[in-house]
Amino acid sequence: SQKIEQNSEALNIQEGKTATLTCNYTNYSPAYLQWYRQDPGRGPVFLLLIRENEKEKRKERLKVTFDTTLKQSLFHITASQPADSATYLCALDGPSNTGKLIFGQGTTLQVKP
Amino acid sequence: GAGVSQSPSNKVTEKGKDVELRCDPISGHTALYWYRQRLGQGLEFLIYFQGNSAPDKSGLPSDRFSAERTGESVSTLTIQRTQQEDSAVYLCASSLVQANTEAFFGQGTRLTVV
Repeated sequence: SQKIEQNSEALNIQEGKTATLTCNYTNYSPAYLQWYRQDPGRGPVFLLLIRENEKEKRKERLKVTFDTTLKQSLFHITASQPADSATYLCALDGPSNTGKLIFGQGTTLQVKP
Repeated sequence: GAGVSQSPSNKVTEKGKDVELRCDPISGHTALYWYRQRLGQGLEFLIYFQGNSAPDKSGLPSDRFSAERTGESVSTLTIQRTQQEDSAVYLCASSLVQANTEAFFGQGTRLTVV
């Protein structure tokens, strides 16, 4: 069955540095991939969507790449700020184009001032 | 309201009781999803609706779980004979069409089974 893997260990970085989070998937080829942010006690909030025919997408300080050969997406936050501290989730459309949206376990980012 | 609304926000129930969780999606959104999130864990897919139909119920953990959607709007997730392992936050999300557009999440219902 399809599997989505995100680094379960928290990522700790210094303010101003670039944070890079990884999302790997196996056993199928999604048509698109999304990234969400989740703060404690809140529902996830959409950040970016990238399609299989797009290599890279940017939005302000955020950049997402999608490598369908490696079956991997990288999520970058440049000039990170303490307010960027949160859990970041990747999500992919499920196999067979049913419209199902499947999430990874998330990676927690802590940006220290 | 402009967003996805879930009720109740918190629910404490005794083991063995039935509970109903409600989700009001954004008006006009045809896709609706239910997820379960245990403490410190990721989002576990439960069920997905396209309109009032559920093309994929594969995530429902057992036959104690059921969901319906009416009027291409409100959805109810029902858990019968609740067990302690059902304790979690239940999140609902909706999107404009199928899941290739952004999903908007509600604040969740925190269910505690005692």
